[in-house]
Amino acid sequence: ELKVEQNPLFLSMQEEKNYTIYCNYSTTSDRLYWYRQDPGKSLESLFVLLSNGAVKQEGRLMASLDTKARLSTLHITAAVHDLSATYFCATTLPGGSQGNLIFGKGTKLSVKP
Amino acid sequence: NAGVTQTPKFRVLKTGQSMTLLCAQDMNHEYMYWYRQDPGMGLRLIHYSVGEGTTAKGEVPDGYNVSRLKKQNFLLGLESAAPSQTSVYFCASSYPGLAGATRTQQYFGPGTRLTVT
Repeated sequence: ELKVEQNPLFLSMQEEKNYTIYCNYSTTSDRLYWYRQDPGKSLESLFVLLSNGAVKQEGRLMASLDTKARLSTLHITAAVHDLSATYFCATTLPGGSQGNLIFGKGTKLSVKP
Repeated sequence: NAGVTQTPKFRVLKTGQSMTLLCAQDMNHEYMYWYRQDPGMGLRLIHYSVGEGTTAKGEVPDGYNVSRLKKQNFLLGLESAAPSQTSVYFCASSYPGLAGATRTQQYFGPGTRLTVT
């Protein structure tokens, strides 16, 4: 059974600080997704990571994937209040051509001045 | 393009009542999904469809039925609602898992907040 674990589940940060969210998954997978959700809103796709060593950056967010360690990280650089949201990672079963996503429980990020 | 839309946005049901949630997408996506989101649980897959006329069970299918009569629509039915089905329901759609990077991304609708009393 594929399990996806995120930590921390809650993260309170000060502006301008750096931090990393971790996403571990239990079985082999060749793809990893990061989504953002604002309160009461839908999910917005941030990154799609499709190979070992993949690194993608958008603004103050950078995501990476280590398929051997079954680990993805979402690094936040110099946090700002606008980054406050819940961040989810998700992956699919091996050979999951149907795209069935298994989500982590989410990391609720709060950036305080 | 409207993307993925869901109807209704909010609904309150009494235990035992039935209802249907409608999901529509205008991106010509083959695959469609229904998830539920509960506090502290992330999203869990209820049912999914890989094409018109086909459906399959996800992680938490009990108490729900689905139909995909048209490619652009995916219906989620609750035959006899229970308080445990109080949740936020999200529909999503995607292309099949081909080699292109963005084609496996799922696009989510705005959600339906359902309360069963």
